[in-house]
Amino acid sequence: LAKTTQPISMDSYEGQEVNITCSHNNIATNDYITWYQQFPSQGPRFIIQGYKTKVTNEVASLFIPADRKSSTLSLPRVSLSDTAVYYCLVVLSNTGKLIFGQGTTLQVKP
Amino acid sequence: DTEVTQTPKHLVMGMTNKKSLKCEQHMGHRAMYWYKQKAKKPPELMFVYSYEKLSINESVPSRFSPECPNSSLLNLHLHALQPEDSALYLCASSQFGGRVFYNEQFFGPGTRLTVL
Repeated sequence: LAKTTQPISMDSYEGQEVNITCSHNNIATNDYITWYQQFPSQGPRFIIQGYKTKVTNEVASLFIPADRKSSTLSLPRVSLSDTAVYYCLVVLSNTGKLIFGQGTTLQVKP
Repeated sequence: DTEVTQTPKHLVMGMTNKKSLKCEQHMGHRAMYWYKQKAKKPPELMFVYSYEKLSINESVPSRFSPECPNSSLLNLHLHALQPEDSALYLCASSQFGGRVFYNEQFFGPGTRLTVL
């Protein structure tokens, strides 16, 4: 049974790189990993998505090792506005079932 | 227009009331979703509509009734709710329908529902 696990909280300082890891056992080759950011009283916002190796966009990078048992969201040079909850999501390709992690609350300090 | 709108923003209802939540998108997306989110918890998928047809119902109680009148609109009809149904109800849409839910979901701001 697929399950995702992520740290409950993380602290960082402005300008630092932040890496948030999500563990996801028993995912299939075609199961994508997606990360969302959520601010209080708002809906989640898409950050990045991938299913193998490395994906980079203008705001983040996603690293997925060959065994695909985990993935790491990397936020370069965070600012105070990056303080939010970050969710890891796995979509099971065979059923369409969505497996959200419990969310990581990132607190960025000045 | 790249946003998903939801109305109302807040809703307070009694257990005997009937109310509806509304969601709208004009991005031409063919999949639309309802989620329920409790405080400090991840969103829980309730329903998925793909090409205006109900594709997934995650064993949601019948007191929640979804409706997709057209490709831009999604409603959630509420009847005889319980206090434990109080939560943030999120609507989302994504570009492609079918069983492939790999694509980016665009979320609305949610409706904060309180059941008394």
